[in-house]
Amino acid sequence: QVQLVESGGGVVQPGRSLRLSCAASGFTFGSYGMHWVRQAPGKGLEWVAVVSYDGSKKYYGDSVKGRFSISRDNSRNTLDLQMNSLRIEDTAVYFCAKEFRSTTWYDSWGRGTLVTVSS
Amino acid sequence: EIVLTQSPATLSLSPGDGATLSCGASQSVSNYLAWYQQKPGQAPRLLIYDASNRATGIPARFSGSGSGTDFTLTISSLEPEDFAVYYCQQRSNWPITFGRGTRLEIK
Repeated sequence: QVQLVESGGGVVQPGRSLRLSCAASGFTFGSYGMHWVRQAPGKGLEWVAVVSYDGSKKYYGDSVKGRFSISRDNSRNTLDLQMNSLRIEDTAVYFCAKEFRSTTWYDSWGRGTLVTVSS
Repeated sequence: EIVLTQSPATLSLSPGDGATLSCGASQSVSNYLAWYQQKPGQAPRLLIYDASNRATGIPARFSGSGSGTDFTLTISSLEPEDFAVYYCQQRSNWPITFGRGTRLEIK
């Protein structure tokens, strides 16, 4: 069965960096686009970034563009999110999510990792 | 970006009742709309995609309808496990956007 496990969250000061990872198993990782979606405490869902199945295309939400970088390693079945210049408003649970049938619907999600940006 | 407006924000119903949740788009998304269910402390679960297709394993009491700018998620007879937050999502235009959610609570 599909499994996505995020790691790397924690407490970080504003302006610092953090790198999240998502370990995937149970499917052919290199065949699917992968996304990061976040959810601030008590709030709704916000799409963050996507990387295509082969890593050649990447898109970002306006709120993270220029600060966050998404990448993948298909040989290791991992998805990463490098987060730089973190802001208090980046505080959220970060989910990695798998595309459904090469569409930008999400049929599998990890349990999420909490990032808290605080001084 | 396309703004999705969900209504009502909170819906209070009893098990066995029918539920109707709405999602309106600020511009046409054709049928590129999905619905997710999220329970506390859990990741969202895909219920409906392409406006009206049930995802794998989703009970038949869940149905979706609509196209263009107006969409509806209907739950025909609420089970206790259906009380959760429901989000709509569009993939017609970048960036992908979600609605702010409808909380379905037990009356």
